[in-house]
Amino acid sequence: DAKTTQPPSMDCAEGRAANLPCNHSTISGNEYVYWYRQIHSQGPQYIIHGLKNNETNEMASLIITEDRKSSTLILPHATLRDTAVYYCIVRVAGGSQGNLIFGKGTKLSVKP
Amino acid sequence: DAGVIQSPRHEVTEMGQEVTLRCKPISGHDYLFWYRQTMMRGLELLIYFNNNVPIDDSGMPEDRFSAKMPNASFSTLKIQPSEPRDSAVYFCASEEGGRGPLRSGYTFGSGTRLTVV
Repeated sequence: DAKTTQPPSMDCAEGRAANLPCNHSTISGNEYVYWYRQIHSQGPQYIIHGLKNNETNEMASLIITEDRKSSTLILPHATLRDTAVYYCIVRVAGGSQGNLIFGKGTKLSVKP
Repeated sequence: DAGVIQSPRHEVTEMGQEVTLRCKPISGHDYLFWYRQTMMRGLELLIYFNNNVPIDDSGMPEDRFSAKMPNASFSTLKIQPSEPRDSAVYFCASEEGGRGPLRSGYTFGSGTRLTVV
């Protein structure tokens, strides 16, 4: 079973920031938070991951709470092409035991 | 790099026929994964390989499913005989080995949409 909880759907206006929440209250000390997204009919795409510090890359920012029990993925200026299902996953980053187990994700709809 | 390459993109077959799906991982990636996606069950991990060796096949639904990785650049997922309930999108993914925060996650292929009639 997936170890994360996400809202099933969210809407966002084009050009505005999209903030996608994720709860992972049972996360272990050696587990990272990963975010992937899946645009319709394509394979999932890696976005970002982090352990406890906030992370930023060219796609998004990841904010992890101090207790690590929840996180938020931020798309700073959402576009129509960001419409996708976003998956929050916790996994061990090293070794072979941290396979990606996908939950149902959040379907983000970016509207003009 | 061309990414993870899967073939065919679409496959339509009759019930009872053998189906073979193919995957070429990214060069240098040590791990290869096969996933299946349906509306009802979402994305399910079927099997994964490390350095061409199957590590965990607990997700393979039945003995009708088998997967091989004869070398570092090629893997197959075979269904024999196929059934209508096998209709799904099958994804292959690969990942670079290593430990810690440098491991940035999987790269997925575009998938094979299988329809069994």
